Amino acid sequence: DQQVKQNSPSLSVQEGRISILNCDYTNSMFDYFLWYKKYPAEGPTFLISISSIKDKNEDGRFTVFLNKSAKHLSLHIVPSQPGDSAVYFCAASVGTYKYIFGTGTRLKVLA
Amino acid sequence: GAGVSQSPSNKVTEKGKDVELRCDPISGHTALYWYRQSLGQGLEFLIYFQGNSAPDKSGLPSDRFSAERTGGSVSTLTIQRTQQEDSAVYLCASSLPGAYGYTFGSGTRLTVV
Repeated sequence: DQQVKQNSPSLSVQEGRISILNCDYTNSMFDYFLWYKKYPAEGPTFLISISSIKDKNEDGRFTVFLNKSAKHLSLHIVPSQPGDSAVYFCAASVGTYKYIFGTGTRLKVLA
Repeated sequence: GAGVSQSPSNKVTEKGKDVELRCDPISGHTALYWYRQSLGQGLEFLIYFQGNSAPDKSGLPSDRFSAERTGGSVSTLTIQRTQQEDSAVYLCASSLPGAYGYTFGSGTRLTVV
């Protein structure tokens, strides 16, 4: 029973274009959402977050959108850069700990 | 230290042996978490420590798994009588209490042969 789903295991995008990574969840009690980025042989690093009281949060090239009615969030990266190539995980929680993670989407930005 | 430190980075063990994985959290971070990532899976919550409170062990998959945190700092995850399905990357993370998001270590890749 996967409460957080990332249905696209991989995504390829041309450098300079927009990357859109998607995440769906089933538990309407989730009130905080995170995106992490992971490079090979490294631990995941925190990227951006959004609370359920908002529908958008922006940080530089990264924007996270939350659609509570659809139980869907997305991460937009504009413009995409080769250094953005990594595995991206979305995570959700009720409260501030015990995040439930998705299976990840491998993003490849082509130069 | 500057980041979350985990050791060893790689461990190969024979089925049935016990293993111990170590985590050194960021200094001052009172919250400590263990997750694991099996091949093709997301990160699976195992256990959470917060200060002197009783740990949340609800994610431990069986009684072969245990963890302790000594002195509110270093934590050890012990897996007894390892099985092949225990093969995974075991990730430790730490955070300030109540903080959203945490800092992960690089993980220990455990292979049970």
